[in-house]
Formats: sequence, C-alpha cells, structure tokens
Amino acid sequence: KNEVEQSPQNLTAQEGEFITINCSYSVGISALHWLQQHPGGGIVSLFMLSSGKKKHGRLIATINIQEKHSSLHITASHPRDSAVYICAVPNYNTDKLIFGTGTRLQVFP
Amino acid sequence: AAGVIQSPRHLIKEKRETATLKCYPIPRHDTVYWYQQGPGQDPQFLISFYEKMQSDKGSIPDRFSAQQFSDYHSELNMSSLELGDSALYFCASTANRSPYEQYFGPGTRLTVT
Repeated sequence: KNEVEQSPQNLTAQEGEFITINCSYSVGISALHWLQQHPGGGIVSLFMLSSGKKKHGRLIATINIQEKHSSLHITASHPRDSAVYICAVPNYNTDKLIFGTGTRLQVFP
Repeated sequence: AAGVIQSPRHLIKEKRETATLKCYPIPRHDTVYWYQQGPGQDPQFLISFYEKMQSDKGSIPDRFSAQQFSDYHSELNMSSLELGDSALYFCASTANRSPYEQYFGPGTRLTVT
C-alpha cells in the first residue's frame, strides 16, 4: 500500500464543473503539499497546509489531520486547469517529500 | 519574488556521457532537495543538503553525485549516463529543513539518447 494515495487517478470534466481530488496518507505528517504539473512541465506548488483550509482564487484545499485526508477543489473549472495534480507529504521524521501517484485532470470546453 | 532556478532547462546527452545539473535555491534558503521523475512516474527523492552537508539520501545511483556550495546552490553530477536516466530532475529549497515551505524549481529535462 502506498503511503500517499490519490483518487481518482484520472478525471475528465466539462468547463465550469466543480472538481474534487482526494489524497489519503498513512504516515504522520507535519504538512501537506498540493502540486500542479502541466504536460511536459515542471512542478508548481499550489498549497502547503497543516490544518484547516486554504483558498487561492478558484482553488481550495482542505486537510483533516485526524482522518489523514486532504482534498483539492477547483470551482468553475477551465481547460487551462488541465494538468496532473499531486499531493506530497514529508514523513514526520524527515523533511523529504513522499509523492502521491497524481490525478490527471482534463477539462473540456 | 525570486524563485528556485535550475539550469539548464533541457539537456540532451548520449549514453555514457556526463551531465551536470544546477539548482539555485531561493535567497536565504539553506536546504536543497533533488527529485527525479521518470516518464509517467511519480517523483522520487534522490538526495538533500542542509548547510552544505548531505542531510538525506534516497534512491540515487552510485553514478550520480551531488554537492552544495558555499552560496547554497547545488549541483547534481551524473556520469556514465544510461537511457533510463532520461527524466525530469527538479529541485526544491527550504529554510532550515522546514517541511512547511518547500519551493520547487521548474526542473531540468534530461534526455539520454
């Protein structure tokens, strides 16, 4: 079992739809990262959170430390949101990141 | 605001050649992490440095070496390149090994032919 699991692995949506991507982890953590990677591109950090909820524009990230679960929501999705979304956590005893398998999102016009 | 800088952005090498990848962290960041992401694969941790000393080591082949310099930039040296080394190599930086504020570079895409 992977230490960091994401669902779904693939997601397609129509423009304007509300998107939810989930991340569950089994290790103890101090923070969780949500990352975005466009095809052939580098990694962009969207959120770093250790509790509660954060919002940047149309993106919202929540985390429940007790349940070891985080969600990334995209409101009013747009084709330019098409990318792979990755959650990553540092193991509690180290600072290096463990990456989830990613969720490939495609938003169609 | 200054971000993590990596150079080169793209690199094409032949088998058995060597390559050097560079990572310049955000100013005042003293910790650098190197990750490798093969085609269609999850990123894998390679190695990290804190205050110019190696702080952790992951699945880095013996053919690879890395170091962090006095200005905190880091270089990943790769020798006897193999086709399987083709990947996106990205680095991240933070201050004082903090897991809360890791900033990622754009990556270097290495293609070995």
